[in-house]
This record gives sequence, structure tokens and C-alpha cells, in this order.
Amino acid sequence: ETGVTQTPRHLVMGMTNKKSLKCEQHLGHNAMYWYKQSAKKPLELMFVYNFKEQTENNSVPSRFSPECPNSSHLFLHLHTLQPEDSALYLCASSQDFNSGAGYGYTFGSGTRLTVV
Amino acid sequence: AQTVTQSQPEMSVQEAETVTLSCTYDTSESNYYLFWYKQPPSRQMILVIRQEAYKQQNATENRFSVNFQKAAKSFSLKISDSQLGDTAMYFCAFMNRGAQKLVFGQGTRLTINP
Repeated sequence: ETGVTQTPRHLVMGMTNKKSLKCEQHLGHNAMYWYKQSAKKPLELMFVYNFKEQTENNSVPSRFSPECPNSSHLFLHLHTLQPEDSALYLCASSQDFNSGAGYGYTFGSGTRLTVV
Repeated sequence: AQTVTQSQPEMSVQEAETVTLSCTYDTSESNYYLFWYKQPPSRQMILVIRQEAYKQQNATENRFSVNFQKAAKSFSLKISDSQLGDTAMYFCAFMNRGAQKLVFGQGTRLTINP
């Protein structure tokens, strides 16, 4: 049990499809994050949510749409993706930065996304 | 902007040997945190060790220890008595105190051979 659960584990989608990635944590954390991990590139921070409010959008294309209905759940809605969007998408959570972000993040196992 | 550099894309050692992974970072801040994460084939990023920049004492967690050189902006990870289960990608990461963004290096793929 990782504390942060991501579903699905694998996803193959066509460029015209719409799909969603789900992330769930029951650690009592108030901040949640989406990262993109591509081969031979550093992890890229995509979005940050703190107490359900988006606090950072790292110039992510609009074909990626995050949603955070509560502090325990985070979604990434995908539509009209490109093949270069194929990557491992990692979700993470932490205490909000005022109380404990210095303790790092807890990560999920990621969703391996392939766009065909 | 902060950057983190890991200059060793891949390393390989024999079981029970000691291995050191390198990491340098660039920042103008004085208060920050440094981390080493491990990502095994299961893909989950696992926190290995954490260092607070204002603490001079190097962090240690069982077989894992760091050599933190603040002036040189260097943060290396030493794994003693390496085990087959240590085989993984290792990422060095940086976070400013009071900020939320965790900035990662490119990673080092470590293989422990039997």
C-alpha cells in the first residue's frame, strides 16, 4: 500500500479519445501534484493543488485538464493528445507547504500512457 | 530558477560494494531541502533520504548516507553494502523552504550485480 493510488496503471488511447487519470490519497495531505516523466528527461511538474485550489500550472497545454474535487482526489482529464504526450504520469501528495512540504512528497506508481 | 544535475546516467557495481551517486544543484537561496528518491521497476518513487540545508550534519538512513557540501552545492548519495534490491533509478531533488515545487535531476540508473 503506497498511500497514493493511481488508476489505471496502463492506458492506451487514440488521439481523438477522451480519458481521465485518477489519483487518490488517504494520508491526510492537503497538497497534490501531477508530474510527467518522459524517457531521458527530468520529471516535469505539471500542476499543483493546495487545499483543492490550483496554485501552479507549469505552462501545460490545454489538452490536459486537471480537477481536484477535494483534498484526497485528483484527476487529469485528457483529450486530443499527441503521440509525444506518451509518458509516465505520476501523482504525488504532501502536507501543504506551510506545514511540511519540506518532508517531500509521497508518490503513486503512475499511469503509463501511450497515445497512438 | 533552480536546477539539479546528475552527471552519471548509469552506474553498475557488484553486490556488497559501496557506490556513490553524484548530484549538484544551483540556487541563490540559503534555506532549502535536498532529497534522494529511488524508483524501482515498480515505478513508485520512494524517498530514500532527506537533508535540511541549514543542518551541517550529513543525513544517514541505515546503509544510505549523504555528503552534503553546501558551499560547493553538492549532494552525493553513498550506498554501503549494496544489495540486489537497490537496483533502481535514483533521483536527486531540490525544494526551496516555503515553496512547494520539487525539482528533479535527470536520474542515475544503478544496477547491482550478483
